[in-house]
Amino acid sequence: DIVMTQSPDSLGVSLGERATINCKSSQSVLHSSRNDYLAWYQQKPGQPPKLLIYWASARVSGVPDRFSGSGSGTDFTLTISSLQAEDVAVYYCQQYYSHPPSFGPGTKVDIK
Amino acid sequence: QVQLLQSGAEVKEPGSSVKVSCRASGGTFRLYAITWLRQAPGQGLEWMGNIIPIVGTATYAKKFQDRVTIHAEESTRSVYLELDSLRFEDTAVYYCASPPPDSSGPFDYWGQGTLITVTS
Repeated sequence: DIVMTQSPDSLGVSLGERATINCKSSQSVLHSSRNDYLAWYQQKPGQPPKLLIYWASARVSGVPDRFSGSGSGTDFTLTISSLQAEDVAVYYCQQYYSHPPSFGPGTKVDIK
Repeated sequence: QVQLLQSGAEVKEPGSSVKVSCRASGGTFRLYAITWLRQAPGQGLEWMGNIIPIVGTATYAKKFQDRVTIHAEESTRSVYLELDSLRFEDTAVYYCASPPPDSSGPFDYWGQGTLITVTS
């Protein structure tokens, strides 16, 4: 099974500043199709996770463009370019390259 | 697009069983890989298993395969999770979720979650 890790565990960022979250997979999630089978989710308290990014860098329709994903192979990054109050949440990465799908432990983002 | 609606919260005793439902509206029910995941308090997300109604057979995580059953009922467009021999550590919010139809991709669609509390 692929193990996902994230860093940091939590992150305090000032409003308008950049937030960067890292995700690492225990093996490559780069498919022969040249797509990375890596997604990012946002979860707010009392809500289910919400898909933000898929194929490592494709933004879901309606997700603000301050959210971006990058990376390939085993190392990935979610960047929030200018943190807004509504971005306070826990962020998870997930691989869907191999079965079973697996999630990182999450990174909590709040306002400094 | 599919919308997923789950049954309500339950309180159970250790050693008992629980059955949680996930009803789908919209979309072609038979083609969605309805998946069950759980999230213990303050913890991350754990994949438990899934079923594609058109295929009919479920796939389970090794951790749960001895005490979990997932089945689909096309007449009610529902997928059920049954978890036996409940333990205190099974206290969690249980989610059903699905990627788009005919896909093994990320989870676009989520139910609202069902809190299962195991307590004596």
